[in-house]
Amino acid sequence: KQEVTQIPAALSVPEGENLVLNCSFTDSAIYNLQWFRQDPGKGLTSLLLIQSSQREQTSGRLNASLDKSSGRSTLYIAASQPGDSATYLCAVRHNFNKFYFGSGTKLNVKP
Amino acid sequence: GAGVSQSPRYKVAKRGQDVALRCDPISGHVSLFWYQQALGQGPEFLTYFQNEAQLDKSGLPSDRFFAERPEGSVSTLKIQRTQQEDSAVYLCASSLERGKSNQPQHFGDGTRLSIL
Repeated sequence: KQEVTQIPAALSVPEGENLVLNCSFTDSAIYNLQWFRQDPGKGLTSLLLIQSSQREQTSGRLNASLDKSSGRSTLYIAASQPGDSATYLCAVRHNFNKFYFGSGTKLNVKP
Repeated sequence: GAGVSQSPRYKVAKRGQDVALRCDPISGHVSLFWYQQALGQGPEFLTYFQNEAQLDKSGLPSDRFFAERPEGSVSTLKIQRTQQEDSAVYLCASSLERGKSNQPQHFGDGTRLSIL
């Protein structure tokens, strides 16, 4: 079974800092990897999706990388803002119809 | 609305009661997923539909859990004889797919189920 781990579990940074969230997975046979954010009491909002053949994806201040062979992905957030405070989850699509999620990194950006 | 809609948002039931949770996916989305999310954890896969066909139900915790999508759009997750360990947030997601497996999932806000 695919295992997905996210480190750190929680992170608190001052506004304006650049930061990196980590995601690792045990089985490199994946279709894609998707990063989400989840605000309290809400569902998941898709941030970036990286296909298995891609190395990275960018959207605004967010950049996600994928190293499939080593089973790792990182989410880089530039110039963090208080509005970025949320829980960030990564999910790998392993087999056509199975998604495995990490437990998330809870981010707090202090004004 | 344009997003995935789930109802009810909150459900409180007594242990032993049956509950039904509804998911309205984005119109035209082929794939539909149900997840269970415990507090402080990531979502855990329950079941997957492609149109009306339930192709994978390996994540359903027991035979008390049942899901259907009879017309390939709205889906219902039913839990019979609820137990306290069923308390969780139940999330629904849909995806366009249409022959391409690498489409993003779009999530609803979930149903928070509390069993007393």
